[in-house]
Amino acid sequence: KAGVTQTPRYLIKTRGQQVTLSCSPISGHRSVSWYQQTPGQGLQFLFEYFSETQRNKGNFPGRFSGRQFSNSRSEMNVSTLELGDSALYLCASSSRATGGTGELFFGEGSRLTVL
Amino acid sequence: AQSVTQPDIHITVSEGASLELRCNYSYGATPYLFWYVQSPGQGLQLLLKYFSGDTLVQGIKGFEAEFKRSQSSFNLRKPSVHWSDAAEYFCAVGKGGGADGLTFGKGTHLIIQP
Repeated sequence: KAGVTQTPRYLIKTRGQQVTLSCSPISGHRSVSWYQQTPGQGLQFLFEYFSETQRNKGNFPGRFSGRQFSNSRSEMNVSTLELGDSALYLCASSSRATGGTGELFFGEGSRLTVL
Repeated sequence: AQSVTQPDIHITVSEGASLELRCNYSYGATPYLFWYVQSPGQGLQLLLKYFSGDTLVQGIKGFEAEFKRSQSSFNLRKPSVHWSDAAEYFCAVGKGGGADGLTFGKGTHLIIQP
């Protein structure tokens, strides 16, 4: 079955703009988590959605937001982009609301560059 | 708060040699522990996980890891590495009960020498 699909794979934005990233989980998976990966900070948890509800949130400013649709697809949005938001944004799906307990299946990521 | 330390940023191993990647965690209760691998330009793939029970867990691609509570460690091992094992390896810890996602270590970059 198809894996986790993230779009777009690469994008370039300028400071102050906003960006929306999309994630389609594995069919049947209802939990979607988002992580930010940077060389300096490594992998950091952004948030997790299960059945259209945000269940957990990491320590990121309110400029980072997300949502999940009834078909389990998820989007994350970053408003008022800063240079430090340049990163690989990874989406992961799981078959249940996992928090830190379940196996996560990761997509290949969306690489955002902020100029 | 939980934390994960991977002391080795880079490790170079000859093809066919054995491998051990170190991981130390900080967490008050029994943790949920994971090892993930990331190849260049790819997402993360789960190698193995430990929740409870036998402290030696087997994973995919010939990897295994041993949970040692007394040392707060969860080291990853492989008896004989292949050139295709060159990648970034991440240890992660999670709480039970669905809270706060996974906390990842900074990763260990594995280089395989021919």
